Amino acid sequence: AQTVTQSQPEMSVQEAETVTLSCTYDTSESDYYLFWYKQPPSRQMILVIRQEAYKQQNATENRFSVNFQKAAKSFSLKISDSQLGDAAMYFCAYGGGGADGLTFGKGTHLIIQP
Amino acid sequence: KAGVTQTPRYLIKTRGQQVTLSCSPISGHRSVSWYQQTPGQGLQFLFEYFSETQRNKGNFPGRFSGRQFSNSRSEMNVSTLELGDSALYLCASSLAAGEGPYEQYFGPGTRLTVT
Repeated sequence: AQTVTQSQPEMSVQEAETVTLSCTYDTSESDYYLFWYKQPPSRQMILVIRQEAYKQQNATENRFSVNFQKAAKSFSLKISDSQLGDAAMYFCAYGGGGADGLTFGKGTHLIIQP
Repeated sequence: KAGVTQTPRYLIKTRGQQVTLSCSPISGHRSVSWYQQTPGQGLQFLFEYFSETQRNKGNFPGRFSGRQFSNSRSEMNVSTLELGDSALYLCASSLAAGEGPYEQYFGPGTRLTVT
């Protein structure tokens, strides 16, 4: 079974600074997808960024980018120019190549200090 | 396009009762997945439906069941409720146009409290 580990239960960053959230996973599959989701307080889960395992190029979405290290099974999220609206729980998720549900990490609570 | 909608948003039930939650996916999406979110266990996959068929099921007891209708709307049912079933139940929809877990778009969830 696949597992996803987020080793940082909570992170704090000053507004406008850069923060990196860590995620590692374990799988025996070669074809899979990785996602970062954001869940603001009392609001719904939002997809932040997606990475296909077969792509070597790291995904980027505006201020959000990932560092995907397939051999190390690492998938970190970098948030540049942090904004107050970035405060949320961030979940790393793994999706297998078949029709499986997503496996989520426990989440990282990101605090933005004004 | 309207997002994923879930009803009801909040629900309070008593142990032993049963409950039905509803999810309407984004228009055009044919796959619906259900997840249970609790502080202790985090987000756990319940099941996925595509074209009215259950494609995959997580590690939950048979008290948890679901179905999908021809318009892709889905319901999940929990029978003989237990205190431990108190959770946020999230529904997610995706295109599922081919193989692979395409991006899943989540609804706001149904907060179930069992007393």
